[in-house]
Amino acid sequence: QKEVEQDPGPLSVPEGAIVSLNCTYSNSAFQYFMWYRQYSRKGPELLMYTYSSGNKEDGRFTAQVDKSSKYISLFIRDSQPSDSATYLCAMSNQGGKLIFGQGTELSVKP
Amino acid sequence: DTGVSQDPRHKITKRGQNVTFRCDPISEHNRLYWYRQTLGQGPEFLTYFQNEAQLEKSRLLSDRFSAERPKGSFSTLEIQRTEQGDSAMYLCASSLADRGLETQYFGPGTRLLVL
Repeated sequence: QKEVEQDPGPLSVPEGAIVSLNCTYSNSAFQYFMWYRQYSRKGPELLMYTYSSGNKEDGRFTAQVDKSSKYISLFIRDSQPSDSATYLCAMSNQGGKLIFGQGTELSVKP
Repeated sequence: DTGVSQDPRHKITKRGQNVTFRCDPISEHNRLYWYRQTLGQGPEFLTYFQNEAQLEKSRLLSDRFSAERPKGSFSTLEIQRTEQGDSAMYLCASSLADRGLETQYFGPGTRLLVL
């Protein structure tokens, strides 16, 4: 079993929809939780960064962490075609190496 | 600040050949990471440096792989006697590790194809 599980999709939604992306994990030592966006043939770029449990909002993006359930989520409001990409969750316990999920491929149709 | 750069962006080689990749981190970042990403998968950690010291290596990093970061600046990743299974995207990331949060910034990657 992988330390971090993420549904690979693909996920297809119409423009303007609310998108929900999720990851589960098994290592209770993880304290830092991140979401990266990766366009085709590019390196990942950081979207959201959360320490421990709670919510964090940045524009159309909201990240949630529930450590008791070992579950993290990323919500995208008013999705746009430019949001079409692969979304990767990543975690670490005290900085250092990141453990990534498989990535969810998202397509937002105009 | 131009971000993390990697060279080359693409490399095609024949099985058994040696290849070397270079990563230039964001200036003043003290940590440098190497990850490998295969199609449809998330990046997997290979190794990382704090300044010039290699602090951790993954079990994925066989003895055919070696990484260096002389003088704590750029880093090189060498693969000797390449195999078809080495075909992947090799990603470099850098960060400024201090107390608290550490954000890793990724380069564009080097895509390796071993024929």
